[in-house]
Amino acid sequence: GAGVSQSPSNKVTEKGKDVELRCDPISGHTALYWYRQSLGQGLEFLIYFQGNSAPDKSGLPSDRFSAERTGGSVSTLTIQRTQQEDSAVYLCASSSGLAGGANVLTFGAGSRLTVL
Amino acid sequence: GENVEQHPSTLSVQEGDSAVIKCTYSDSASNYFPWYKQELGKGPQLIIDIRSNVGEKKDQRIAVTLNKTAKHFSLHITETQPEDSAVYFCAASTKAGGFKTIFGAGTRLFVKA
Repeated sequence: GAGVSQSPSNKVTEKGKDVELRCDPISGHTALYWYRQSLGQGLEFLIYFQGNSAPDKSGLPSDRFSAERTGGSVSTLTIQRTQQEDSAVYLCASSSGLAGGANVLTFGAGSRLTVL
Repeated sequence: GENVEQHPSTLSVQEGDSAVIKCTYSDSASNYFPWYKQELGKGPQLIIDIRSNVGEKKDQRIAVTLNKTAKHFSLHITETQPEDSAVYFCAASTKAGGFKTIFGAGTRLFVKA
């Protein structure tokens, strides 16, 4: 597609439920990132996929969070047993990797998660 | 791992004045420093970037400077306009980290007309 697509744009769930957030990156982009942005806060790194390499999961806040990327394209971020502190905007970005040394990220509009 | 500090968290300027946002990074292996602008309800968008082999880069009203020795870089916006009001993020990326990009906490810029 022309840009990074995320769904749903808004999700309201009850505490304890599982949620899945989807990211469809730009076609051909080998790198995919997930970030979390709490209200009025910065971009917290969660996980990074690059090609066929093992993902960098160093930013996942707990074992309730997981992500996968199927076929090197679409990615799903799963949050199990959601807690109120999980409420945030989850941003996905993709990049083509090296482009003369620049790693330019293209972001989606985000998925706003509200846990009641 | 890389850590990026950004200051100030909030900046208010009069239209036409200049705005400066400063960042420091911790990983000397970082070699690429982009700046992103985030408008309300949207994802961040790249506005300018600089690589470690360059000390300064300018694009119309915005410029970035990089001091590798001190491990800090800055964004300069001249002749600010109300449409410059947004949240600005600096970031650092290193090949050693698999090009993982770490962001600063952001600066909310208000340009008063």
